[in-house]
Amino acid sequence: QSVLAQPPSASETPGQRVTISCSGSSSNIGNNLVYWYQQLPGTAPKLLIYGNSQRPSGVPDRFSGSKSGTSASLAISGLRSEDEAEYYCAAWDDSLSGPVFGGGTKLTVL
Amino acid sequence: QVQLQGSGPRLVRPSETLSLTCTVSGDSITNFYWSWIRQPPGKGLEWIGYFFYSGRTNYNPSLKSRVTISGDTSKNQFSLNLRSLTAADTAVYYCARYRSNAWFDPWGQGTLVSVSS
Repeated sequence: QSVLAQPPSASETPGQRVTISCSGSSSNIGNNLVYWYQQLPGTAPKLLIYGNSQRPSGVPDRFSGSKSGTSASLAISGLRSEDEAEYYCAAWDDSLSGPVFGGGTKLTVL
Repeated sequence: QVQLQGSGPRLVRPSETLSLTCTVSGDSITNFYWSWIRQPPGKGLEWIGYFFYSGRTNYNPSLKSRVTISGDTSKNQFSLNLRSLTAADTAVYYCARYRSNAWFDPWGQGTLVSVSS
């Protein structure tokens, strides 16, 4: 059971927009920054969003992050087949005194 | 460009100790914190711990009694030791540069470790 809750799966057709949610509590998302990682099949996770909504160099602006209260969201617009991957949210947890991850959301591009 | 390369055994016996090493290129391990994260087959990510070359460490409470993370500045490497292994420790083990909060970037390619007799 992950500390941060994500839907196990999401799907959408190419060109459309999809949103992936991440739900936590005041000990993690509510008081700390949120990060998102993309894991393509058979590869290591890659940083997608840092500091709630910042994109590292090289990440397309089709990817955006937001946070409200104890929840966060990752939005992907203009979906492409290469976006098919597992997406993980993460945040520092004050109770654990360490970082925690969501269980991951498998995105299927139909 | 920072790159991390993990290395170590792919098969370890139950009750034994796993030792993995991560070699860093393109950056000095004295500049940042460095971390290990694992992923059991078909499951999500679990943070194991992080360290700073000065000796400061922070471990996941669920693994703290069995984990040691340390570094060798002369080789620009850092290592993971996980003791008293069981089948539940079977996972892909990733090394990563740790900046703060839950900020891991970049990641190594991962090493699949199986615990089996």
